[in-house]
Amino acid sequence: AQSVSQHNHHVILSEAASLELGCNYSYGGTVNLFWYVQYPGQHLQLLLKYFSGDPLVKGIKGFEAEFIKSKFSFNLRKPSVQWSDTAEYFCAVESLGGFKTIFGAGTRLFVKA
Amino acid sequence: DADVTQTPRNRITKTGKRIMLECSQTKGHDRMYWYRQDPGLGLRLIYYSFDVKDINKGEISDGYSVSRQAQAKFSLSLESAIPNQTALYFCATSDNRGPDEQYFGPGTRLTVT
Repeated sequence: AQSVSQHNHHVILSEAASLELGCNYSYGGTVNLFWYVQYPGQHLQLLLKYFSGDPLVKGIKGFEAEFIKSKFSFNLRKPSVQWSDTAEYFCAVESLGGFKTIFGAGTRLFVKA
Repeated sequence: DADVTQTPRNRITKTGKRIMLECSQTKGHDRMYWYRQDPGLGLRLIYYSFDVKDINKGEISDGYSVSRQAQAKFSLSLESAIPNQTALYFCATSDNRGPDEQYFGPGTRLTVT
């Protein structure tokens, strides 16, 4: 069965620190990849997505992610986090032809001011 | 106005009661989804619908049923609520014309006592 693994469940950083959140998936075919963010008390919203082309994708608020097909990974990065980045981050994978999106368990990020 | 709305936003009910959660969207999307979110488990798919006549079970459909009353409306029912159905429930939509992100509603926090 397909699965999505997010390596860190909780991350605590100070402002200006760099961020990298890991995401690995298990599916051998072509996939669409997403990172969603859920700010406290809010619904999920898209941070960035990868469908094809340049494996380094840029999203909103200075976030970027790199798709490494050989490693089945889609890690999220930000060079310098802000207090307002405190949120839960979800990696999601949609398998083409599967028509369903599988979400990872989420990573809660807390940024100390 | 929000593109995806959910009612109610919060609900407390007793074990054994029937409850319906409603979702409406103004995005004109054909695809609609119901997820539940539990701490540490991410989002898990309950049911999804690719058009009014198409309803499919997700990974955790037991104890739930759905109705797609129109393109814009997708309801989730708990026939006989039990305490382990206490969770945050999200409705989402997506476009069927190609790969697309999902657009989430604000969520319904359901507590079963």
